[in-house]
Amino acid sequence: IAGITQAPTSQILAAGRRMTLRCTQDMRHNAMYWYRQDLGLGLRLIHYSNTAGTTGKGEVPDGYSVSRANTDDFPLTLASAVPSQTSVYFCASSDRVGTEAFFGQGTRLTVV
Amino acid sequence: AQSVAQPEDQVNVAEGNPLTVKCTYSVSGNPYLFWYVQYPNRGLQFLLKYITGDNLVKGSYGFEAEFNKSQTSFHLKKPSALVSDSALYFCAVRDDNTDKLIFGTGTRLQVFP
Repeated sequence: IAGITQAPTSQILAAGRRMTLRCTQDMRHNAMYWYRQDLGLGLRLIHYSNTAGTTGKGEVPDGYSVSRANTDDFPLTLASAVPSQTSVYFCASSDRVGTEAFFGQGTRLTVV
Repeated sequence: AQSVAQPEDQVNVAEGNPLTVKCTYSVSGNPYLFWYVQYPNRGLQFLLKYITGDNLVKGSYGFEAEFNKSQTSFHLKKPSALVSDSALYFCAVRDDNTDKLIFGTGTRLQVFP
């Protein structure tokens, strides 16, 4: 089935540990995004990529890094997790920046 | 700065009745507006968008939205609600400066049988 695949679906992580959330799309979309969803705050953009080889900072980038080595993959790394990074993380892609985005199922991350 | 506001945390409606989920926006240029729906433990699904043209936009699952420039609103509507419409709804606007989508805080729609 075409779309966006995120892994893992959920994770409990000890504070201070490093973690990479994986995201793969098979729609050949140019733009990809990482959002976090928190109660009462909606979705906030962490990082984005307009096209393979480029990345940019969103609204809440601190503590996160991304890479875009190819069109399909857009991993999100937490170098040293903190409890405030407990959230649901969504990866999304769009044909180009600003058009409607397609979302993955999400990764529920709990940092303890 | 561009933004969207969803003034209602929750909307309750009886099945068969019309529903409205409100959204207002603030942009410096022409607005590109979107509605998404999120079912429990799922990602967001695109419902509809307004770019230009007819102020009444029709989307998936019988939903529509009305763009009102004078009121800077983009309310989501459906003539007859279904219990299965119960979900979290997000309005979004394209940021003119960064070209990214900015989301509202979401409105939970509860449709009662």
